[in-house]
Amino acid sequence: QKEVEQNSGPLSVPEGAIASLNCTYSDRGSQSFFWYRQYSGKSPELIMSIYSNGDKEDGRFTAQLNKASQYVSLLIRDSQPSDSATYLCAVNLGNTGGFKTIFGAGTRLFVKA
Amino acid sequence: AAGVIQSPRHLIKEKRETATLKCYPIPRHDTVYWYQQGPGQDPQFLISFYEKMQSDKGSIPDRFSAQQFSDYHSELNMSSLELGDSALYFCASSFKTKGADTQYFGPGTRLTVL
Repeated sequence: QKEVEQNSGPLSVPEGAIASLNCTYSDRGSQSFFWYRQYSGKSPELIMSIYSNGDKEDGRFTAQLNKASQYVSLLIRDSQPSDSATYLCAVNLGNTGGFKTIFGAGTRLFVKA
Repeated sequence: AAGVIQSPRHLIKEKRETATLKCYPIPRHDTVYWYQQGPGQDPQFLISFYEKMQSDKGSIPDRFSAQQFSDYHSELNMSSLELGDSALYFCASSFKTKGADTQYFGPGTRLTVL
């Protein structure tokens, strides 16, 4: 089992729809969770960080964390074609003081105009 | 706002040569992370440094070494290069002393080994 798992997709949604991206992790001690967006050939760009159970909203983005289920998700409302990218879930492993980050394989999102 | 700086942006080397990648973190950031990303793959954690000391190690080959200097910049040294080392190498930085572990990524160095 990989430490961080995501559906590789591709996930295709029409413009204006809600895109839902999911991620599960295996390390129960993990405390810090991140969503990054990466365009092909570019560096990962931070979208959201989340540390506590529940929802965290920032503009069109909402991150959801459930530590009991070891599950973190990202919702993108009013999806735009410019949101088309690979979304990476990242987890700081709890037993390393947060100095080691494991990324999921990423979910490719296509937003159709 | 200042971002993470990496140099060079592109590097072409022959097999068995050596390469040195440099990373300059965001000012006041004290932690540096190195990642390797092959085509179509997720970033693989290589190594991290906090306050100039190695803090954790991932899937970094023995042929690679890295360090963080007194000005907090970091260098990744790669020897006996192999074709499989061709990848994007990202550096990220964070301000761990402040309790923030959000990593901000540099633009990456694209290494091609021929």
